Order: sequence, then C-alpha cells, then structure tokens
Amino acid sequence: ETGVTQSPTHLIKTRGQQVTLRCSSQSGHNTVSWYQQALGQGPQFIFQYYREEENGRGNFPPRFSGLQFPNYSSELNVNALELDDSALYLCASSSKTAANYGYTFGSGTRLTVV
Amino acid sequence: DQQVKQNSPSLSVQEGRISILNCDYTNSMFDYFLWYKKYPAEGPTFLISISSIKDKNEDGRFTVFLNKSAKHLSLHIVPSQPGDSAVYFCAAINAGGTSYGKLTFGQGTILTVHP
Repeated sequence: ETGVTQSPTHLIKTRGQQVTLRCSSQSGHNTVSWYQQALGQGPQFIFQYYREEENGRGNFPPRFSGLQFPNYSSELNVNALELDDSALYLCASSSKTAANYGYTFGSGTRLTVV
Repeated sequence: DQQVKQNSPSLSVQEGRISILNCDYTNSMFDYFLWYKKYPAEGPTFLISISSIKDKNEDGRFTVFLNKSAKHLSLHIVPSQPGDSAVYFCAAINAGGTSYGKLTFGQGTILTVHP
C-alpha cells in the first residue's frame, strides 16, 4: 500500500507567477484535500475533491483552484502568486468508508514566493 | 477566527514522565476530534481520535480526554519517550456537516522529551 506522494518537494517562484503542485493519493482513497500551512501555524483547509468535483472549500480566493483526475490524483493551482502564499502545502487523501476519517497526509511541497 | 486553539507553543518533559497537551475549541458543531503528530520534513500522521459522545479514548501510551462543557480536550502521553518529540496538532471536524473533510487545526505544540 503506497502512501500519499507530493511533488515537487520544494519550489521557488516569483510574485505574479503561477504554480502547479501535484499529489498522488493513497491506494483505495477517492477523496483528496489540500491544506496550506504557514510558518508557526496549523494547516488551513483550502478545498476538497471527491469524484473529480470540488466538495467543500475553505476561506481561500478563486486564484486557488484544483483538479482531481480519474485515478484520484490531484493538482493544486495557484495563480498570481503573492508573497503570503509562501507556505507548506499539504495534500491528504481519505476514503469515506475509512475509520477515523482515515486521512493520510503527504510530506508536502514547500513553496517560497520571492 | 481561530476555532481551535493550542495555547502552549511548546512543552518540555523528562523521559518517563507524563506529557499533557491541551486544546480548546469554540465551535459547538465540532463532533469529532483528532490528534496528529508531525516530524520535520514529514506530513502529519494520525495519532488518536475521539467522538463527542465519549469523554475518553485510550490507545497504548496515548489517552485523549474530552470535556464538552468546557470545549476542551487534552492528550496524555505516559510514559513519554524521546521519540515522541515532535509537533502535535489538535484538529476538529463537524462530521455531520456538509463540509466533509474539513479538518480545522490548532496552531500546534512542540513537544520535547529529554532523555
């Protein structure tokens, strides 16, 4: 059973650019959520995808968007990057039938916006 | 609006003693609570959880207590081991709500267990 893998592990972008982060879900998981963790803070919910559709969104602007593919992998896209977007981005996959909500987190992508 | 709060940024404990990590929440719609542990360069890993219909859940050295009237939960680790040194996050979810999957996290507490 493979876990959740995220790529890339680190990324440096310039303000105003666009970025795409990728996530491969754990085998058997059909739901994926994305979180932003700023330095010294807990993870903040960005959105969740279930069966390729957005199924819940946190307090993030529309320039944060996502996709889920038929194989349950996912992308997080951020347009018009701002300095405050610098953070660790975590992907979590789960299954609605899993006990304890069965969230499995990836190791994250560290995004730095300069 | 911080709905889940961990007011202690750090905690230092001697090996073999008890570690107590605290968490407070404000949203009465939360009905399921989880603790995650996070090592540097790794994602959070699930540790233990508790439903709002219970006031205690044990798993080995880890016990979570829930006081619904005070909107407070705590994680007890007994005995503490150096390998327990990590950042601990409290998280809450409204399991019966429409936003399935939305974990609301606290800010985290850095636990250091000294040999």
